Amino acid sequence: DAGVTQSPTHLIKTRGQQVTLRCSPKSGHDTVSWYQQALGQGPQFIFQYYEEEERQRGNFPDRFSGHQFPNYSSELNVNALLLGDSALYLCASSSGWGYTFGSGTRLTVV
Amino acid sequence: AQSVTQPDIHITVSEGASLELRCNYSYGATPYLFWYVQSPGQGLQLLLKYFSGDTLVQGIKGFEAEFKRSQSSFNLRKPSVHWSDAAEYFCAVGSPSGSARQLTFGSGTQLTVLP
Repeated sequence: DAGVTQSPTHLIKTRGQQVTLRCSPKSGHDTVSWYQQALGQGPQFIFQYYEEEERQRGNFPDRFSGHQFPNYSSELNVNALLLGDSALYLCASSSGWGYTFGSGTRLTVV
Repeated sequence: AQSVTQPDIHITVSEGASLELRCNYSYGATPYLFWYVQSPGQGLQLLLKYFSGDTLVQGIKGFEAEFKRSQSSFNLRKPSVHWSDAAEYFCAVGSPSGSARQLTFGSGTQLTVLP
């Protein structure tokens, strides 16, 4: 049984550009959460999607948006990239409190 | 708002020695408590969790943690560390109330194991 799959694994973008990160949840999970992990820091909650709607949002600007599809997969979009958006972006799927994390997408903004 | 403090940024132990990683939380009631481990370039793997009941929780890879309400702590322990335990460890809390199951993480403790 595949766990959480994230794509791409790495990417490099230029300041001001837009990026889309993708996440396929673990089979049986209906909820997807996104976290940003800056170098040397713990993950910070961006938002959570359930039944194709944003259920909860952390302290992130509107430049961060997301989507959940009927098959529970999810996208994270970041507009107008800043250097400070460089981080590891983790997707986690869950059913209840049973979280499974993906290996993340390493985003570098230059 | 809930928060998590991991006072030790970096800990070094010798292989075979015992280990204790500290975690303190701030929350109005008793939160749900978690310990995760992250190897370089990898996602997070759950070691153990506490929801209620017995305050000593057993996890995978020989780890255990003890919830102490009076100290708002949830320290992680292992009696004998193996070289493969070298990684970064994160303590996290979750709110039992509400529909969103959001985790709040500490800043992590990096564990180095000496041969």
